[in-house]
Amino acid sequence: DIVMTQSPDSLAVSLGERATINCKSSQSVLYSSNNKNFLGWYQQKPGQPPKLLIYWASTRESGVPDRFSGSGSGTDFTLTISSLQAEDVAVYYCQQYYSIPVTFGQGTRLEIK
Amino acid sequence: QVQLVESGGGLVKPGGSLRLSCAASGFTFSDSYMSWIRQAPGKGLEWISYIASSGSAIYYADSVKGRFTISRDNAKNSLYLQMNSLRAEDTAVYYCARARYSSSWYFDYWGQGTLVTVSS
Repeated sequence: DIVMTQSPDSLAVSLGERATINCKSSQSVLYSSNNKNFLGWYQQKPGQPPKLLIYWASTRESGVPDRFSGSGSGTDFTLTISSLQAEDVAVYYCQQYYSIPVTFGQGTRLEIK
Repeated sequence: QVQLVESGGGLVKPGGSLRLSCAASGFTFSDSYMSWIRQAPGKGLEWISYIASSGSAIYYADSVKGRFTISRDNAKNSLYLQMNSLRAEDTAVYYCARARYSSSWYFDYWGQGTLVTVSS
């Protein structure tokens, strides 16, 4: 199984500042035949299901604000929130869908400083 | 609008059984690839099962293989999870979710979840 490791476990950022969450996979999730990274990011607010933010490592889901962006390739990925808003307080998860079983990172809790 | 509504959760004793249901609306369920994903209290997300649109392909996580059975009824727009031989570690919120493509299991629609508690 591919192990997904996120860092940090928790993060406190001031409103309007940049938040950066890292995700590392135990093996590459880049599929060479189509040059796509099989990596997604989700946001989960308290009492709610996860919400898809990013897929293919950097493609923003429809309706997701453009302050959210994804980057990286191979085994190292980053979710960046360019200017933190109060409604961005949540737990964020990365997920690989390169191989079965699909696996998630342990989550990163984002709070306001 | 898209809706996935899970039901069937509750309190069950170790070794017992439970059947979860997920009612889908607002999208073409019969063309959709579906999964069950669970989240233990205060913990992260764990994918546990997948079923293809026609039911022709089914996968399970090792943690539930041989105990859980996924199924679907496209005529009823419904997904199911039969859970047998339940253990305390199966205690979790169970979500049904849609994988956008058969070859790319990122999950674009999620239900609100149903809580399963396994305790004596």
